Amino acid sequence: DTAVSQTPKYLVTQMGNDKSIKCEQNLGHDTMYWYKQDSKKFLKIMFSYNNKELIINETVPNRFSPKSPDKAHLNLHINSLELGDSAVYFCASSQGAGLAGKNTGELFFGEGSRLTVL
Amino acid sequence: QQPVQSPQAVILREGEDAVINCSSSKALYSVHWYRQKHGEAPVFLMILLKGGEQKGHEKISASFNEKKQQSSLYLTASQLSYSGTYFCGTGYAGGTSYGKLTFGQGTILTVHP
Repeated sequence: DTAVSQTPKYLVTQMGNDKSIKCEQNLGHDTMYWYKQDSKKFLKIMFSYNNKELIINETVPNRFSPKSPDKAHLNLHINSLELGDSAVYFCASSQGAGLAGKNTGELFFGEGSRLTVL
Repeated sequence: QQPVQSPQAVILREGEDAVINCSSSKALYSVHWYRQKHGEAPVFLMILLKGGEQKGHEKISASFNEKKQQSSLYLTASQLSYSGTYFCGTGYAGGTSYGKLTFGQGTILTVHP
């Protein structure tokens, strides 16, 4: 039974298209995240939600719009895709992101969604 | 501010030891360590919290020096399964960094038979 699952695993699309990635966690965690990993393996946080509330928005272009319908789901919609959006997008969840800045919650990552923009 | 990991890459033979360092220019509250194998998701290894503690996990342990704002990951008697990219993730005190981990650039560890 997968703890954090993302769909789809692979996305190949043309520039200018719109695409969505879905994420679900069955761990009962209260915080979910989107991370982007580029070709140099750099893992960078994009967004985090705590109990459906947006907590972190890391100066991501507003073509990226996350949505959390409930605390077990976090989706990512990307409009007008650009070449530079090609990357692996990881969803993650944790319990107890804790008090401000005191991240004591172990992150559980999904398998990743590899987006290729042509 | 991204923490800096060193070295960038390590090549070992089975049974050898390695140390991976993670340094921050800002005061740290927490340090996480993760391992990512090629084509897979990062997997949690351990968390160290403010207080200079040391933790162990089988033959993998880590220390956290709050004063030096750095953490080190120790891999002893390495096994082939240790191969992968190791990331440290740092948590900082402050309201705007709620729940946020900033990851280092990664250290590629390769263990040969």
